[in-house]
Amino acid sequence: DAGVIQSPRHEVTEMGQEVTLRCKPISGHDYLFWYRQTMMRGLELLIYFNNNVPIDDSGMPEDRFSAKMPNASFSTLKIQPSEPRDSAVYFCASSSGSRENEQFFGPGTRLTVL
Amino acid sequence: AQKVTQAQTEISVVEKEDVTLDCVYETRDTTYYLFWYKQPPSGELVFLIRRNSFDEQNEISGRYSWNFQKSTSSFNFTITASQVVDSAVYFCALSERRDNFNKFYFGSGTKLNVKP
Repeated sequence: DAGVIQSPRHEVTEMGQEVTLRCKPISGHDYLFWYRQTMMRGLELLIYFNNNVPIDDSGMPEDRFSAKMPNASFSTLKIQPSEPRDSAVYFCASSSGSRENEQFFGPGTRLTVL
Repeated sequence: AQKVTQAQTEISVVEKEDVTLDCVYETRDTTYYLFWYKQPPSGELVFLIRRNSFDEQNEISGRYSWNFQKSTSSFNFTITASQVVDSAVYFCALSERRDNFNKFYFGSGTKLNVKP
């Protein structure tokens, strides 16, 4: 298996622009997670899906952030409009089953908002 | 209060030294799961171990060992005879059940520097 795939790996954009991050989970995994990692705040869970349904989005910072999972093999995290404080590494992870199983992380997308 | 506390922000050791990374967690759940992940300088997060709340047996995997103690809510990670390749940020994580759905928490991480 190719593992969790994220694109793009790097994104540089200007403040106010829309940014879309993409994730393809491991085939057969029914949980998908979006995390944000910064030096100041560490690794934060933004939202997770189970069987394509958002379950806990309490970590989404504000309405500028939205996430979708239209099918079992694809998810997006969108920021509109982007701000410099959104600069971070965004990780997607997937897992099989429930909370007892480990998460497999993608390589991350490094986002820089100028 | 932090759900997962990794009080050691950064540790530096010399190769071949033993080092223990501390993890203290907080939960009211009776069934929960604890994890350790490694994030090397390349940036990816790699799963190391999972432990459920009913299994307090310590585990050893090569140079790695884990000490789970429910009485102190701790799940510490020891690397024996550390090597330069062990240099990474290590995260402890907790999953529990709250308000009828699963919750996931990561600690702030401990950066381990192993010097030759």
